Amino acid sequence: DQQVKQNSPSLSVQEGRISILNCDYTNSMFDYFLWYKKYPAEGPTFLISISSIKDKNEDGRFTVFLNKSAKHLSLHIVPSQPGDSAVYFCAASSSGTYKYIFGTGTRLKVLA
Amino acid sequence: EPEVTQTPSHQVTQMGQEVILRCVPISNHLYFYWYRQILGQKVEFLVSFYNNEISEKSEIFDDQFSVERPDGSNFTLKIRSTKLEDSAMYFCASTGDRFRSIYFGEGSWLTVV
Repeated sequence: DQQVKQNSPSLSVQEGRISILNCDYTNSMFDYFLWYKKYPAEGPTFLISISSIKDKNEDGRFTVFLNKSAKHLSLHIVPSQPGDSAVYFCAASSSGTYKYIFGTGTRLKVLA
Repeated sequence: EPEVTQTPSHQVTQMGQEVILRCVPISNHLYFYWYRQILGQKVEFLVSFYNNEISEKSEIFDDQFSVERPDGSNFTLKIRSTKLEDSAMYFCASTGDRFRSIYFGEGSWLTVV
């Protein structure tokens, strides 16, 4: 049941450049999306969210874009910093459910 | 800043033993969750809890699992008879609004031997 997919298991980016993390989903009922950052042996830390009524949400260095027709969302981190190195998960939920479905994660490495 | 706290941080248990993982959600939150992550795999939903009852559960959450909010602050996950494949990091989460972001605890690492 891979309703939420992150097809890139890893990504390396130079410090100061843009990091783009991608997420695809298959369930057209999903209407709320989250991005989390996770360090090893720690809980996921909420970064940013977007509702399906929007196509963009921005918070500091983090911007999430949602393309509903393509069932695709992306997280942009600008500028990338070494402290951003972590695993990033997208998660999706629909109004008719209480649960969030997580993607498999993308490991981001920001090189100094 | 309010946070979700979990205990224990790590527990090793013999197969077949009962385990209780404890969580203190953020105080004004109403919706509570347990997720787990088996090493190297994705974060998986187990169960959601609202208004003192289970609102939704996954296929993983079978009869060996139960949740309880015994005293209005703690939220517990009990595994009645642990199996080797229950070894995972278990995350508690909470939110004040089911249409908003959920906030996770640091996790309880369960090792079944």
